[in-house]
Amino acid sequence: EDQVTQSPEALRLQEGESSSLNCSYTVSGLRGLFWYRQDPGKGPEFLFTLYSAGEEKEKERLKATLTKKESFLHITAPKPEDSATYLCAVQARDFNKFYFGSGTKLNVKP
Amino acid sequence: DAMVIQNPRYQVTQFGKPVTLSCSQTLNHNVMYWYQQKSSQAPKLLFHYYDKDFNNEADTPDNFQSRRPNTSFCFLDIRSPGLGDAAMYLCATSTRTSGGGEQYFGPGTRLTVT
Repeated sequence: EDQVTQSPEALRLQEGESSSLNCSYTVSGLRGLFWYRQDPGKGPEFLFTLYSAGEEKEKERLKATLTKKESFLHITAPKPEDSATYLCAVQARDFNKFYFGSGTKLNVKP
Repeated sequence: DAMVIQNPRYQVTQFGKPVTLSCSQTLNHNVMYWYQQKSSQAPKLLFHYYDKDFNNEADTPDNFQSRRPNTSFCFLDIRSPGLGDAAMYLCATSTRTSGGGEQYFGPGTRLTVT
């Protein structure tokens, strides 16, 4: 069965304290893995797409990596404005099938 | 700016009273999706359109219907809302012709059922 699991469910960091979020997946025929940021009461905002194991993408304090079984979202020296829920989604062999994880709720304290 | 727009942002309806949520896009994407998201849960795909081709997820209740009159607009109809249908409804678009499959989401409509 295709599924996506994110951990931890919630993460509290002090400003400047680097950490990583995990997204593990089992899916037949991975086409792509996506990271989104979701602020309370808003729609998810696209961050990164990763297609193959070994690929890395960076944007400001965020860096996403991909292996054959999981992806990590590394947050370097986070700021309070990085507080949000981070969602991971995978696109399966069926081009229009997307499976989302439940997200990691990140809280960065000043 | 190209974007995905959802109206209304907040909708209150009574138990059993039909409601329609709308989504429009200026991205000219050929695929449009409707998701249901409950608090602290993953977005759950209800259905999607590839151009005019409608695709229903197997576990989407019959109570939920959708229409896509043209490329830019898509509607979600809930025929007889129950208390369990209270949720955030997200519209998203993507283009199947690109190498990526990233989706672009609207701000969502928060549905309350009283």
